[in-house]
Amino acid sequence: QKEVEQNSGPLSVPEGAIASLNCTYSDRVSQSFFWYRQYSGKSPELIMSIYSNGDKEDGRFTAQLNKASQYVSLLIRDSQPSDSATYLCAVNGDDKIIFGKGTRLHILP
Amino acid sequence: KAGVTQTPRYLIKTRGQQVTLSCSPISGHRSVSWYQQTPGQGLQFLFEYFSETQRNKGNFPGRFSGRQFSNSRSEMNVSTLELGDSALYLCASSFAGGGTDTQYFGPGTRLTVL
Repeated sequence: QKEVEQNSGPLSVPEGAIASLNCTYSDRVSQSFFWYRQYSGKSPELIMSIYSNGDKEDGRFTAQLNKASQYVSLLIRDSQPSDSATYLCAVNGDDKIIFGKGTRLHILP
Repeated sequence: KAGVTQTPRYLIKTRGQQVTLSCSPISGHRSVSWYQQTPGQGLQFLFEYFSETQRNKGNFPGRFSGRQFSNSRSEMNVSTLELGDSALYLCASSFAGGGTDTQYFGPGTRLTVL
């Protein structure tokens, strides 16, 4: 059974600081990695996808992938109260997307 | 481009009844995946349909079934509802599916079983 692990949180970060969200996965051959944001009562929305080792930046968001360590992370710079949500890490495995249970992020005003 | 749509948005049923949920994918997307989301279990994969064929299936009982039509719209059916089936049911569409490309989620159907 392929797994994706995330710390459930809550992770509390002061407004304006950097929030760091981490994820590990079990399938060594995974090639596709995604971060989704989910507000309470809403459906997940894609933040970023990453397929190659290294960093990928999009605005205030940076995804980092290390396939050797089976580790993917998401950095949120200049955190805003609107960033308070649950962040889901997703990885391909067994011909489907496998989701972690998510990390709750709380930005403190 | 219109996003993924799901109907109905909310449903209340009683134990033993059955329910059918509908999902219309993004235009051009041929893969539709269904997920059940509960607070304790997170997002759990139900099944994926691609070109009217079930391509993958999660670990759910046979009471959960689905199908896909030639226009890529998909339905899922849950028979003999149980209290534990209360959840948010999400569908996600993608172009190729199979875990290879980005999935886009619909707003979900909130099912409450009394």
